[in-house]
Amino acid sequence: NAGVTQTPKFQVLKTGQSMTLQCAQDMNHEYMSWYRQDPGMGLRLIHYSVGAGITDQGEVPNGYNVSRSTTEDFPLRLLSAAPSQTSVYFCASSYEAGSPYEQYFGPGTRLTVT
Amino acid sequence: AQSVAQPEDQVNVAEGNPLTVKCTYSVSGNPYLFWYVQYPNRGLQFLLKYITGDNLVKGSYGFEAEFNKSQTSFHLKKPSALVSDSALYFCAVRGGGSARQLTFGSGTQLTVLP
Repeated sequence: NAGVTQTPKFQVLKTGQSMTLQCAQDMNHEYMSWYRQDPGMGLRLIHYSVGAGITDQGEVPNGYNVSRSTTEDFPLRLLSAAPSQTSVYFCASSYEAGSPYEQYFGPGTRLTVT
Repeated sequence: AQSVAQPEDQVNVAEGNPLTVKCTYSVSGNPYLFWYVQYPNRGLQFLLKYITGDNLVKGSYGFEAEFNKSQTSFHLKKPSALVSDSALYFCAVRGGGSARQLTFGSGTQLTVLP
C-alpha cells in the first residue's frame, strides 16, 4: 500500500511552458484534491474531485486544469507556467467528500518557474 | 466562508515543558477540525481530529487538542515537549453537512529547544 504518490519531486519550467503533475492513490478513495503551499499562506485548494469524472474548482484554480478519468489518478496540468506558480504542490485523498475523514497527503512536488 | 486563524507564526518551548499551538476557526454549522504536522521536505501527516462528542481529543505522538465551541478554538497541546516535535503545524476546518473543502490555517512553526 503506497498511499498517495506524486511525480516528479522537483521540476524547473520556463515561463510559458506546460506540464502535468502526476498524482495517484491506491486506497480506493473517492475524494482527491490539489493544494499549493506558499510561505506564510498555509495550503490553498486548487481543484478537487469527488469521484471519477467529477471535478470542481477550489480557492485558486486559475492557470490549472484537472481531470479524473479513474478513481486512482488525478493529474494537475499547468497550461502556461508563470513565475507566480512557483510553489510546492501537494496532492491529497480521503475516503469520502464532505465527511469527517482525514486527508492523506503525498510527498509534494517542488516547482520553480523562471 | 470558512476560515482558520493560527495567530502565532512561531512557538518556542523548552524540552520537557508543556506546549500549546493555538487555532481559532469560523464556519457555518458544526465544524470538523483537524491538526496536521509537516516535517521538513515532507507532506502533511494527520495528527488528530474533532468530529463530535468529548471536547478533549487525543491523537498521535502524545498530542491532544481541546475543542471550545464558545471560543471557536481548537488548540493543540502536549504535556511534555520533545525536540523531535519541532515541525510546522497546521490547523484545518471543514463545515458539516455537504461542505467539501478543507480550509487550512497559515501554519505555526514549533521549535523545541534542548
